[in-house]
Amino acid sequence: GAVVSQHPSWVICKSGTSVKIECRSLDFQATTMFWYRQFPKQSLMLMATSNEGSKATYEQGVEKDKFLINHASLTLSTLTVTSAHPEDSSFYICSAAWYEQYFGPGTRLTVT
Amino acid sequence: AQSVSQHNHHVILSEAASLELGCNYSYGGTVNLFWYVQYPGQHLQLLLKYFSGDPLVKGIKGFEAEFIKSKFSFNLRKPSVQWSDTAEYFCAVNPTNFGNEKLTFGTGTRLTIIP
Repeated sequence: GAVVSQHPSWVICKSGTSVKIECRSLDFQATTMFWYRQFPKQSLMLMATSNEGSKATYEQGVEKDKFLINHASLTLSTLTVTSAHPEDSSFYICSAAWYEQYFGPGTRLTVT
Repeated sequence: AQSVSQHNHHVILSEAASLELGCNYSYGGTVNLFWYVQYPGQHLQLLLKYFSGDPLVKGIKGFEAEFIKSKFSFNLRKPSVQWSDTAEYFCAVNPTNFGNEKLTFGTGTRLTIIP
């Protein structure tokens, strides 16, 4: 089946620094990737839709200057959390769309 | 905008019991419906999906779900649960004819199976 990877799986960073999370579709090409955020014991909240070769579409309330998304190729999308703060600590999950969505294993971000 | 409700937040069952998890959505048009499972420490996996046709869909691991359009529901069922079914279950919808549009998730139901 279709496999989506994320890197890193876990990252700890200091407040004020930036962190980049990669999402790759390993065995298929995805023109669309999605980035979600999941708080403990809660559902997935869509942050943005990433389209290859164009600007990402952000959901209401998501700061596009803080959460930079780049979809440089049909197999790679990146999410950069800029000037991270402790409230950005969360579980970030990406999915890649190819007839249906295939989810990555997630990245746990802890900002100290 | 569409929304998804999962009224059971935490369900505790003994092994071999029957399971039904509720899912209701609000959207006036045609929807695609999904159930995902997230085992502890693992990523989301698709259990089953409904796009069109037979409203009773069968998924992996013995799960099934029935789409009842008049009730805007897509409840998940399993006749006999196992300890390994302990996980978080999410219902999701999207309003297009293709499965790659953005999904709206319910709040999830945590299922705990007691051996």
